[in-house]
Amino acid sequence: QKEVEQNSGPLSVPEGAIASLNCTYSDRGSQSFFWYRQYSGKSPELIMSIYSNGDKEDGRFTAQLNKASQYVSLLIRDSQPSDSATYLCAVFTGGYNKLIFGAGTRLAVHP
Amino acid sequence: EAGVTQSPTHLIKTRGQQVTLRCSPISGHTSVYWYQQALGLGLQFLLWYDEGEERNRGNFPPRFSGRQFPNYSSELNVNALELEDSALYLCASSPRWDSLTYEQYFGPGTRLTVT
Repeated sequence: QKEVEQNSGPLSVPEGAIASLNCTYSDRGSQSFFWYRQYSGKSPELIMSIYSNGDKEDGRFTAQLNKASQYVSLLIRDSQPSDSATYLCAVFTGGYNKLIFGAGTRLAVHP
Repeated sequence: EAGVTQSPTHLIKTRGQQVTLRCSPISGHTSVYWYQQALGLGLQFLLWYDEGEERNRGNFPPRFSGRQFPNYSSELNVNALELEDSALYLCASSPRWDSLTYEQYFGPGTRLTVT
């Protein structure tokens, strides 16, 4: 079992729809959870961080964390073509003392 | 506020050579991380420095090494380059490790090509 798992996609959604990206992790001791966006050929950009169970909203983005299910998700409302990118889930776990990245989900928003 | 900076942007080396990559963190950040991202692959953790000390190391051979300077900037050295070292090398920074804020901010990366 991988430490952080994401569907590779591509996830294709029409413009204006809600994109739902999911991530599961294996270490129950994980403390901090992050979503990064990476455009092709560019470096990852931090878009959301979440530390406690529940929802956290920032503009069109909502991160959801469920530690009991070891599950974290990212919702993008009113998706735009400019949201087309790879979204990386990252989990910090004290046991490994490092940030572990999933392989990423490629999102394609079509007009 | 200036972000993480890396140099050089691009680099072409020959197999067997050595390379040094440089990174300057965001002002006020003391932790620096190095990652390798080969084409089409995920981010692989290389090294973590904080306050001049190596805090953690990824599953890479010893020819990958680095250091952090008193001003918190960092170097990544790769000796005896191999073709599979061709990748985007990313540096990230975060506040001091015991601040319990593990948000990492990435620089633009150095693209290394080994021929």
